[in-house]
Amino acid sequence: DTEVTQTPKHLVMGMTNKKSLKCEQHMGHRAMYWYKQKAKKPPELMFVYSYEKLSINESVPSRFSPECPNSSLLNLHLHALQPEDSALYLCASSRGGLVRGRDTEAFFGQGTRLTVV
Amino acid sequence: KQEVTQIPAALSVPEGENLVLNCSFTDSAIYNLQWFRQDPGKGLTSLLLIQSSQREQTSGRLNASLDKSSGRSTLYIAASQPGDSATYLCAVKVWETSGSRLTFGEGTQLTVNP
Repeated sequence: DTEVTQTPKHLVMGMTNKKSLKCEQHMGHRAMYWYKQKAKKPPELMFVYSYEKLSINESVPSRFSPECPNSSLLNLHLHALQPEDSALYLCASSRGGLVRGRDTEAFFGQGTRLTVV
Repeated sequence: KQEVTQIPAALSVPEGENLVLNCSFTDSAIYNLQWFRQDPGKGLTSLLLIQSSQREQTSGRLNASLDKSSGRSTLYIAASQPGDSATYLCAVKVWETSGSRLTFGEGTQLTVNP
């Protein structure tokens, strides 16, 4: 099973709403990622979790709050978003590793299409 | 900072043609290189992974090569089919002390005409 599952598939939220995106994998991967993708553009890295600890934060605004409650789950909490935050949000995982040589192929979910109104 | 470039940005070919997509990267200190396919509005599907120590990987009609020293990779698609129409993304993985990251190129939008 090489599946990364993201829910919901589509989300419309107002600028004052609070919502969460969820991502789940059961491949035993210990590195998990959030990417943001605007139309006709490549994915841009937002956050990296390694062994359930936040290891990379690409200076993302605080209205995006990631959480990794366990090795299989990754959440992205959203609050007070702006219309320009509308995008496809992609979750990915890879085997990960604290030592170079253990990380491998990255697998992506189908994404959550977020629209902020 | 690692930069990844893909050429061409768009490609339209008749069915049955063999084609080559190009990817170049500025920093040769990569950990691996991965080719993905993305259909409109969908997630990314992994096609091929080439480790930095490898030169080539094959899967069915797809063949990817890697020349790390020159910072180049190519994806060869044999006997193209309309179902191959999609955007193809090249991504390089760089290892940092804080973890690894994938940096993507802008993609090549491929259309295979029946």
